[in-house]
Amino acid sequence: QLQLQESGPGLVKPSETLSLTCTVSGGSISSSSYYWGWIRQPPGKGLEWIGSIYYSGSTYYNPSLKSRVTISVDTSKNQFSLKLSSVTAADTAVYYCARQIAVAEVVDYWGQGTLVTVSS
Amino acid sequence: SSELTQDPAVSVALGQTVRITCQGDSLRSYYASWYQQKPGQAPVLVIYGKNNRPSGIPDRFSGSSSGNTASLTITGAQAEDEADYYCNSRDSSGNHQVVFGGGTKLTVL
Repeated sequence: QLQLQESGPGLVKPSETLSLTCTVSGGSISSSSYYWGWIRQPPGKGLEWIGSIYYSGSTYYNPSLKSRVTISVDTSKNQFSLKLSSVTAADTAVYYCARQIAVAEVVDYWGQGTLVTVSS
Repeated sequence: SSELTQDPAVSVALGQTVRITCQGDSLRSYYASWYQQKPGQAPVLVIYGKNNRPSGIPDRFSGSSSGNTASLTITGAQAEDEADYYCNSRDSSGNHQVVFGGGTKLTVL
């Protein structure tokens, strides 16, 4: 059974960089059938796609966040990571890592999510 | 980027049928997927493609599409179906951009 687990600081100061890692177990991140992505959900609000990465390193970002987002992959560790720079309180959210079926935007597996609060 | 529009809230009597809709230009070209999210939990995929259910999803959940509107139908709603439902699809730009609807809160009366 595939599992995804987010890890990283739960508190980030304004203007700093939010960094999260997703560890994939029960399957290979190098599969050509999937993208690996980040999705966030501010408290009490809806889902927002942040971006996705293919095992080869190709990335796709939400245009509204593109200038601040970097997603990378480490196939040797079966992990992928998110960096979001210059954070503000508006970036406070539950951040989910997820598996996305390639050539479709179907998110078939989700991590449990991790709350990141931006506050001084 | 395109947008997907959902009604904020819908209610259904226990055992009745309810349809949750999702509208957007991208749905003329791409299928919507549907996700169920209960409080404090990660979303769960319930419908994808033309009308496909992942393993473990009850067959009372079904999907359909017409023009720019995708629909999730629950036939014989159960108390455990009370949740937020989100649709998503590829952005109409076609550049692997993903877009989510704003979500629909389903109340089972």
